Amino acid sequence: DTGVSQDPRHKITKRGQNVTFRCDPISEHNRLYWYRQTLGQGPEFLTYFQNEAQLEKSRLLSDRFSAERPKGSFSTLEIQRTEQGDSAMYLCASSLLGLAKLFFGSGTQLSVL
Amino acid sequence: DQQVKQNSPSLSVQEGRISILNCDYTNSMFDYFLWYKKYPAEGPTFLISISSIKDKNEDGRFTVFLNKSAKHLSLHIVPSQPGDSAVYFCAASASYGKLTFGQGTILTVHP
Repeated sequence: DTGVSQDPRHKITKRGQNVTFRCDPISEHNRLYWYRQTLGQGPEFLTYFQNEAQLEKSRLLSDRFSAERPKGSFSTLEIQRTEQGDSAMYLCASSLLGLAKLFFGSGTQLSVL
Repeated sequence: DQQVKQNSPSLSVQEGRISILNCDYTNSMFDYFLWYKKYPAEGPTFLISISSIKDKNEDGRFTVFLNKSAKHLSLHIVPSQPGDSAVYFCAASASYGKLTFGQGTILTVHP
């Protein structure tokens, strides 16, 4: 069991640049979630997939954000034209269908300068 | 709208004593509740959970209590250990969908 893996662990970018994060879930898990966490707050839901289908998107997810899970395995989260307000920890989690317990990765810390 | 609230930003206890972390929710559709523990620069790790059909669940030093009428749950840690020092998040789910998290409580256990 290799757990949920996220890459990169840290990303520093300049405002206006595009960034892409990758998440590899636990292999048998069919649900994959993206959350964002800022200092002093709990993780905020962004979007989730069941297999390759994106089933729900938060209103927090502006049209600069896009997520994919092309073959129902790994997922990518892209942020276009980054803004300083995008600076946060981006967390990926996975679970089995029908179970509420999520397994989280270590996150990608994004800093937008 | 904050559907899950942890009103205590921090809690400090002495090693060996009980730690009680509290959580309130507003959404009546929530039917499963979880507690996660988080260390700096790491993702949250699952601690303990409870279904809405129960009012108590125990796992070693950790016990979660659910009061559905008050829409309140609490996590008891007995005895508290310095290694328990972390941020604790309460989370809730409706029909095994996405989790909604509280803001977290920083627990510090002093030796």
